Amino acid sequence: EAGVTQSPTHLIKTRGQQATLRCSPISGHTSVYWYQQALGLGLQFLLWYDEGEERNRGNFPPRFSGRQFPNYSSELNVNALELEDSALYLCASSSMHRGYTFGSGTRLTVV
Amino acid sequence: TQLLEQSPQFLSIQEGENLTVYCNSSSVFSSLQWYRQEPGEGPVLLVTVVTGGEVKKLKRLTFQFGDARKDSSLHITAAQPGDTGLYLCAGASGNTGKLIFGQGTTLQVKP
Repeated sequence: EAGVTQSPTHLIKTRGQQATLRCSPISGHTSVYWYQQALGLGLQFLLWYDEGEERNRGNFPPRFSGRQFPNYSSELNVNALELEDSALYLCASSSMHRGYTFGSGTRLTVV
Repeated sequence: TQLLEQSPQFLSIQEGENLTVYCNSSSVFSSLQWYRQEPGEGPVLLVTVVTGGEVKKLKRLTFQFGDARKDSSLHITAAQPGDTGLYLCAGASGNTGKLIFGQGTTLQVKP
């Protein structure tokens, strides 16, 4: 069984640009979660999508947004990039909330 | 605001020693999950505990959920160099899709 796949693995952007990160969940999982893991801040909840709808979002500004497609894959968009957006962005999927399977993440660097 | 305090933050021990990592909160969680993360990878789920007082064993790892479901511990017996990594606890509360993560414990086991 294929795990959660994320692309790209690394992304370098300039301040003010937009970044798009992609995630494919495990087959059969309808929920996708996005987390930010910044140095020294631990994992912070960003967004939860289920059945194509945004179900919950964490304490992040509106320039962090995303969507879930009919095949349950998901996209995270970060607009007007700031230096402090540099982090590892992790996507996870689950069929229940009891245990997540995480992807390997996208390392976003804003210069 | 729900918080999970994890201790210790860093632990460096010799092969064969025992250790315990603690995860404490003033909030009640519906479930508590433990993950292990290697550099450059996403966290990997080790165990989920749901019932207050529950104890689960995974080879040399023993996980316990506090009676009041506010705290948890991870005990490793006879640590091995392969146990080296970042250990994270994460609490789930209700149907929010959000996990609250502790700051993590970086464990180094020297041969």
